[in-house]
Amino acid sequence: DTGVSQDPRHKITKRGQNVTFRCDPISEHNRLYWYRQTLGQGPEFLTYFQNEAQLEKSRLLSDRFSAERPKGSFSTLEIQRTEQGDSAMYLCASSLELMGAEYEQYFGPGTRLTVT
Amino acid sequence: DQQVKQNSPSLSVQEGRISILNCDYTNSMFDYFLWYKKYPAEGPTFLISISSIKDKNEDGRFTVFLNKSAKHLSLHIVPSQPGDSAVYFCAASLYSWGKLQFGAGTQVVVTP
Repeated sequence: DTGVSQDPRHKITKRGQNVTFRCDPISEHNRLYWYRQTLGQGPEFLTYFQNEAQLEKSRLLSDRFSAERPKGSFSTLEIQRTEQGDSAMYLCASSLELMGAEYEQYFGPGTRLTVT
Repeated sequence: DQQVKQNSPSLSVQEGRISILNCDYTNSMFDYFLWYKKYPAEGPTFLISISSIKDKNEDGRFTVFLNKSAKHLSLHIVPSQPGDSAVYFCAASLYSWGKLQFGAGTQVVVTP
């Protein structure tokens, strides 16, 4: 299967710890997005990459959050000094942008983070 | 600032009947609208989209209607099937695709 994969699927951590999530997009996709979803809400945009360049970050992405996409392939999202409010589902999506036109975003299954 | 709103958190419909899901938006600059479907423990799956230059788009059992003057779109599923039971998210984009802004979702339950 060549869909978007995310690892881990679940993460439980104690407040104050650092966590890192990984996303592997569909191989030919050059755009990669991170979203966060809390209970009863839709996904909220966090940041996105075009190849290895991070093009936009949401105001939701505090200084404790950092995302990378080295070599334009997989991406990591790190949260430092986690807080209970960081508990959420973190979704990754990828898409193909070609000559100014972008095709649909394919989502991974998400990483559920619980901060205790 | 919730710019995309789905005011019905849930919808129950009988198998074979029509499901109508509604979505309102506040930003008139949105130019692309999408519906995603989500099953538990899976990521959202793209269903159907519509550009702001159109007022209707159809794909099999799914039809999306856009009313720009009312800033309203709807998704019609006809006929509804048990496999349609899922959470449906409305989403909008400022420029064809790009980052998406989602509504809170509507849980659809299709009963036999």
